[in-house]
Amino acid sequence: DAGVIQSPRHEVTEMGQEVTLRCKPISGHDYLFWYRQTMMRGLELLIYFNNNVPIDDSGMPEDRFSAKMPNASFSTLKIQPSEPRDSAVYFCASRGLAQNEQFFGPGTRLTVL
Amino acid sequence: GESVGLHLPTLSVQEGDNSIINCAYSNSASDYFIWYKQESGKGPQFIIDIRSNMDKRQGQRVTVLLNKTVKHLSLQIAATQPGDSAVYFCAENTSGTYKYIFGTGTRLKVLA
Repeated sequence: DAGVIQSPRHEVTEMGQEVTLRCKPISGHDYLFWYRQTMMRGLELLIYFNNNVPIDDSGMPEDRFSAKMPNASFSTLKIQPSEPRDSAVYFCASRGLAQNEQFFGPGTRLTVL
Repeated sequence: GESVGLHLPTLSVQEGDNSIINCAYSNSASDYFIWYKQESGKGPQFIIDIRSNMDKRQGQRVTVLLNKTVKHLSLQIAATQPGDSAVYFCAENTSGTYKYIFGTGTRLKVLA
C-alpha cells in the first residue's frame, strides 16, 4: 500500500484566496483525521471522520474551514478565505477499526502571504 | 492538549549512548499512549504504544515506561544512531474515543 497520500505537498497562496487540501487514506481504513501543525501550537486535531461521516469537528478553527469526505477514498480540507495565520503544515491520517495506530500522510505545507 | 512554545526542548546525545525522552500527559482518564517520531519534512511515524494496564513495553531498541501515578511517560532508545535524529511526540487517548492529544514534542539530536 502507498500509505496516506496528500496533495499538494506545498501550497503558496495569497490572503483571501480559497485553498483546497486533498487526502487519500489507506484503503480499508474507517477513520480519517485532519491535523494542523504549527510551531506555536504543535499538532492539533481539526476534525475526524468515521465511515465518511464527520464525528468531531470541534477543532476546526472557524467557519472559514470546512472538510468533506464524499467517499471512503477521498477527503478535502478547504479554507475560504485564507489568512496568513492559516500558514502551517496540514496532515491527514487514517486508521482501521481494529487498529490503534494512526498512519500519517507526508503533509501539505501551506503558506498564505 | 498542550500548547507548544516557539522552541522545542532539545536532547543532544552522543552516538551509541542511550536516550531518554520524557512526556507528561494531561488526562487521568487516558488509557492508551503512543510515541511518534517525526523526521524533517515528513509526517509522524508510529514507534511504540502502551496501554495503561502495563508499566513497561519493549520494542526493537526502544522501551516505553508509564507511570500513571504522576502521569508520566518516557521513551528510551538504546544505542542511539544518527537515524534517530527527529522530533518525538507522545500522544494520549481514552478508550472509546478516537482523538489523540499530542504532547509538545522533543527534538533529539544525535552527535557523531
